Amino acid sequence: AQSVTQLGSHVSVSEGALVLLRCNYSSSVPPYLFWYVQYPNQGLQLLLKYTSAATLVKGINGFEAEFKKSETSFHLTKPSAHMSDAAEYFCAVSEERYSTLTFGKGTMLLVSP
Amino acid sequence: NAGVTQTPKFQVLKTGQSMTLQCAQDMNHEYMSWYRQDPGMGLRLIHYSVGAGITDQGEVPNGYNVSRSTTEDFPLRLLSAAPSQTSVYFCASGEGDTYEQYFGPGTRLTVT
Repeated sequence: AQSVTQLGSHVSVSEGALVLLRCNYSSSVPPYLFWYVQYPNQGLQLLLKYTSAATLVKGINGFEAEFKKSETSFHLTKPSAHMSDAAEYFCAVSEERYSTLTFGKGTMLLVSP
Repeated sequence: NAGVTQTPKFQVLKTGQSMTLQCAQDMNHEYMSWYRQDPGMGLRLIHYSVGAGITDQGEVPNGYNVSRSTTEDFPLRLLSAAPSQTSVYFCASGEGDTYEQYFGPGTRLTVT
């Protein structure tokens, strides 16, 4: 069975600092991995996805993530945080193209001036 | 394209009442699903469908019913609402070739 662990329910950074949100997954087959962002009172928006092509995936808004099979990780990074990045971020895993998504519990990113 | 639409945005029910949350998509996606989001729990899958006439249970299906008579619509029925069903409900649709799922804006449901 697939599962996702996001380390840290809250992460605080200063504007301009590096953003690092951690995600570890468990999957019995090569996974498909996703990061979604949720702004207050809105639905989820796809940031980026890994589907067995390049291990370094670039997404929207300057975010990127690296798939590391040996570490079963898919951490999300951004070199310089903006105030507008404050939101909740969810990592998700799927084992097949039409398979269901299993989400982590989410990490709230707080950005201070 | 409107994408994925959900109605209503907000709903308050009394315990024991029934209601249907509506979900529609205009992207001709085969895959549709319902999730509930609770604080500190992430999103949990309730039911999903891989095409018209085909539905299956997710992680937390009890107390919910679905049907898929058309590609566009995937309503979620609460048979007898309970306070434990107070949550935010999201509908999503996806197309297998891109692996992406697109989420609706959500329905915030309170059961008293």
